[in-house]
Amino acid sequence: ELKVEQNPLFLSMQEGKNYTIYCNYSTTSDRLYWYRQDPGKSLESLFVLLSNGAVKQEGRLMASLDTKARLSTLHITAAVHDLSATYFCAVDKKDSSYKLIFGSGTRLLVRP
Amino acid sequence: ETGVTQTPRHLVMGMTNKKSLKCEQHLGHNAMYWYKQSAKKPLELMFVYNFKEQTENNSVPSRFSPECPNSSHLFLHLHTLQPEDSALYLCASSPGLAGNYEQYFGPGTRLTVT
Repeated sequence: ELKVEQNPLFLSMQEGKNYTIYCNYSTTSDRLYWYRQDPGKSLESLFVLLSNGAVKQEGRLMASLDTKARLSTLHITAAVHDLSATYFCAVDKKDSSYKLIFGSGTRLLVRP
Repeated sequence: ETGVTQTPRHLVMGMTNKKSLKCEQHLGHNAMYWYKQSAKKPLELMFVYNFKEQTENNSVPSRFSPECPNSSHLFLHLHTLQPEDSALYLCASSPGLAGNYEQYFGPGTRLTVT
């Protein structure tokens, strides 16, 4: 059974600091997704990582994928308050790529 | 309207009520999904439709009944729900099922069962 674990589940950090959110998954998968969810809002797609070694960056967020270690990271650089949200990673099942298995989410709070 | 819309945004219902959730996508996609997001569990896939045909029922209790009359609309009919069914129900769509298709999510319906 494919499982996805994120840590930490909650992260409180000061503006200007750097931090990394980790996403581990249990079996081989073709794609890994990162989503952002603001309170009361929908999931917004941030990154889709398709292959081993993939790295994508958007603003202060950078995501990477190591398929051998079954690990993805979401690195936050010089955090700002606007990044406060819950971040989810998800992987698809290799034999049915539309079935996304989500992690529990990391609730990020960026303090002034 | 653009993207994926859901109505109502909030719903409170008793355990004996019957209600329906509606999802509409304006993206020209062929696949639509229902997800359940509970406070204490990761997001769970419930149903998948592709070209109006159900392709996935993830062991969902029969008190949840989906309907997909066309590729743009998806309903979730609710009856005799339990308090543990209280959750955020998210609809999503994608161009298709196979391949590198990203899913686009609606804003969700916050359901409270009393």
